[in-house]
Amino acid sequence: NAGVMQNPRHLVRRRGQEARLRCSPMKGHSHVYWYRQLPEEGLKFMVYLQKENIIDESGMPKERFSAEFPKEGPSILRIQQVVRGDSAAYFCASSPRQGAGETQYFGPGTRLLVL
Amino acid sequence: QQQVKQSPQSLIVQKGGISIINCAYENTAFDYFPWYQQFPGKGPALLIAIRPDVSEKKEGRFTISFNKSAKQFSLHIMDSQPGDSATYFCAASKGDDKIIFGKGTRLHILP
Repeated sequence: NAGVMQNPRHLVRRRGQEARLRCSPMKGHSHVYWYRQLPEEGLKFMVYLQKENIIDESGMPKERFSAEFPKEGPSILRIQQVVRGDSAAYFCASSPRQGAGETQYFGPGTRLLVL
Repeated sequence: QQQVKQSPQSLIVQKGGISIINCAYENTAFDYFPWYQQFPGKGPALLIAIRPDVSEKKEGRFTISFNKSAKQFSLHIMDSQPGDSATYFCAASKGDDKIIFGKGTRLHILP
């Protein structure tokens, strides 16, 4: 009964490169959330996706960031032309359905370091 | 605008003591208040959660106290143990919406 999986766990990129972060939700979960955690800060919501749909992207920066959750395969958070300020831990969470009080289960995170 | 305010930022408690972390929220539409525990290098894990129709919820050594009129809630860890040393986040959400996290409290339990 695997939990939420994220890879890679650590990612190092130079400024200007692209970063691709992957999230495989728990089995049976079709809702995925991405959060970003800066050092010494809480997690901040970025985007909420269901299969093939972006439901809420109010926390996503307008430029360079995009997310998808295709019919098959993991959810992908893509950061183009990374800058040093993108260095953070990126967590995804999954849940089985919408509904009040539904628990989101978090993955172990991807720690992105931009040199 | 910070919707969920958490204090203290860090906390040191003797083994066997009571650890208390406080949170306040602003949005009265919030209807789900979870607490998460995070160890270094790991993702946050749900510890305990409460809905606003009850004033207290207890699970083992962990208790949430909820004051709807004051828009405040707190986590009490009884008989704190060194293994409880971690960062704790209070949070709030409404319905199926995104979770709004506090900034976290670094708890250290002295052996």
